[in-house]
Amino acid sequence: SAVISQKPSRDICQRGTSLTIQCQVDSQVTMMFWYRQQPGQSLTLIATANQGSEATYESGFVIDKFPISRPNLTFSTLTVSNMSPEDSSIYLCSVDQETQYFGPGTRLLVL
Amino acid sequence: RKEVEQDPGPFNVPEGATVAFNCTYSNSASQSFFWYRQDCRKEPKLLMSVYSSGNEDGRFTAQLNRASQYISLLIRDSKLSDSATYLCVVRTDSWGKLQFGAGTQVVVTP
Repeated sequence: SAVISQKPSRDICQRGTSLTIQCQVDSQVTMMFWYRQQPGQSLTLIATANQGSEATYESGFVIDKFPISRPNLTFSTLTVSNMSPEDSSIYLCSVDQETQYFGPGTRLLVL
Repeated sequence: RKEVEQDPGPFNVPEGATVAFNCTYSNSASQSFFWYRQDCRKEPKLLMSVYSSGNEDGRFTAQLNRASQYISLLIRDSKLSDSATYLCVVRTDSWGKLQFGAGTQVVVTP
């Protein structure tokens, strides 16, 4: 199974600021996925990040709010822009190798 | 209607007992099915895939009923360490998109 790391593991941010979350995988993967898990809820897919093309966003998520980079086959970033308290959540990246494996998550609190 | 629905629980289970719970899915074209386990403040981790014929992994048994569009998970001889939230996960297309249930919380008590 893939080994996935995320940075930062947690952060507390002021509203109106932006935070970039990094995801690193120990092997090359075609697709990486970004999820959000709000308190007490299950995972919601934000977008799929393919290397060399624009990310594909799910309904309710837009590139201006959640820009994604995918510069190579082992790395991706998700930026949470112009944050509000409603963005407080756990953000997880994952990769698909027959099934999906998740990074440890980034716990974000927006004040 | 949610694509994947689960009883949120909690299921309070005495240590050593058996617990079972289901998950229903709405898309009849769903291709693959999984149970993930999520501990408090941790990322989800794959517990087991669910195969059409049903499958066991130690104390865990998963079954799929395509006609009624549900999957089930049974845990025998429950351990305290089985306390977690169990996520039902359904793959609806061939390129990786997953649908997650909200999870069933299991609490195993001494």
